[in-house]
Order: sequence, then C-alpha cells, then structure tokens
Amino acid sequence: DAKTTQPNSMESNEEEPVHLPCNHSTISGTDYIHWYRQLPSQGPEYVIHGLTSNVNNRMASLAIAEDRKSSTLILHRATLRDAAVYYCILRDPSTRGSQGNLIFGKGTKLSVKP
Amino acid sequence: NAGVMQNPRHLVRRRGQEARLRCSPMKGHSHVYWYRQLPEEGLKFMVYLQKENIIDESGMPKERFSAEFPKEGPSILRIQQVVRGDSAAYFCASSPPNTQNTEAFFGQGTRLTVV
Repeated sequence: DAKTTQPNSMESNEEEPVHLPCNHSTISGTDYIHWYRQLPSQGPEYVIHGLTSNVNNRMASLAIAEDRKSSTLILHRATLRDAAVYYCILRDPSTRGSQGNLIFGKGTKLSVKP
Repeated sequence: NAGVMQNPRHLVRRRGQEARLRCSPMKGHSHVYWYRQLPEEGLKFMVYLQKENIIDESGMPKERFSAEFPKEGPSILRIQQVVRGDSAAYFCASSPPNTQNTEAFFGQGTRLTVV
C-alpha cells in the first residue's frame, strides 16, 4: 500500500492560515491525493483531492509538489470549527475493481486557539 | 438526497451476543466500505462491497465477522459472539459507480460497546 507521513499534531490561531503537510514518497503515477477530516465524534468528511495540479475549493486549497512526493493542505483562515484530525490519503492501488478503498493513517490533529 | 445513514448510532451488547450494524448508502451509490476505529486510533479498512459482491475483504477478521450488501436493502456488518475487543466505532462510506477517485461519503458511525 502507498503510505503517507503526517505530523501527529499542529496548533493554529483562529483566523490565521494553516498549512498541513503530507509526505508520500512512494506515490505511484496514477495515485490521487485525497484529504479527509474527522471532527470529534463524527464520521470522516471529504475535504479535497488532486492529482498533479494545485486544487481549490470552498473548504481549502491543495498544493502538490512538482515531483508529487509531498503535498500541503491549506486552510486559508482557521476557525474553531476546523479543529479536527486531518488525514492525507492515497487511493489504494492494489484493490480490485473500478475503485480503490481509502487507507487511513493516524492523521494530524489540528488544534485551533481562539 | 439524504446522506449515508447508519443505525443504530449506539449499540450495547453482552459478550457472546451478535451485533448487526446497518448502512444505507446515498441514493444512487452502489459501492460501500466499512471501517473500524478503536478509541484514539485511526480508521482501519475492513471490507469493500458492491451490490451483491464482496470486492475486497482483506481487512476483515477471519472469524466472527461478515458483511453483505444485498440487491435490495442496506449493507449489513455482522459480528457474531462479540468480545470486549470488538468495542469500537464502525463507519460506513459510500460512493457512486463507474467513477474513479471520487469522494466517499461517510456516515456518522455506530458505536459498539461490549460489556
């Protein structure tokens, strides 16, 4: 399985930008990079995903390194509601069928201070 | 369009009983995934199903655990003869057919407590 490495935890101040890093040095050419987050006592929630180009949506931005061995999730203005565990995930390339499942690591626990 | 629905939200079972966890995917979704999350840990993949087929069950314990996704009705994760170590949150996710690398939508989970 392709693996990712993330810091265990990060802190941010409210209304400041947050850059959450992820290393994925064994990524294959067809792996997409997905980000999910899990708020306390809830199921995971999709944030963003990309392949090679940087991506933006209403929740966040995803910056992907040119060699694709790392990526950064950017929250432009952190709020208290963004406190969650953020997971960087590569689509599992070894699963049969038309879609691979999502392999979760330990993620980064983001704390947001008022 | 309702989201992924899991029930019950909380389930308490005595050791040795059976636990049945239900997952109704989003309308139009034919791919279902089950994950288990132990306290203070990340999600562990258990099984990936399409309608009436198990595609990947590499994360399922070999004994006591089974999953199905019938043509009609919800997906069921069944745990027979539960033990204390089965206490965890079980999450279901669904995604639409015939697409690659789309997002998966997760339910709120079923929290199983074995006493």
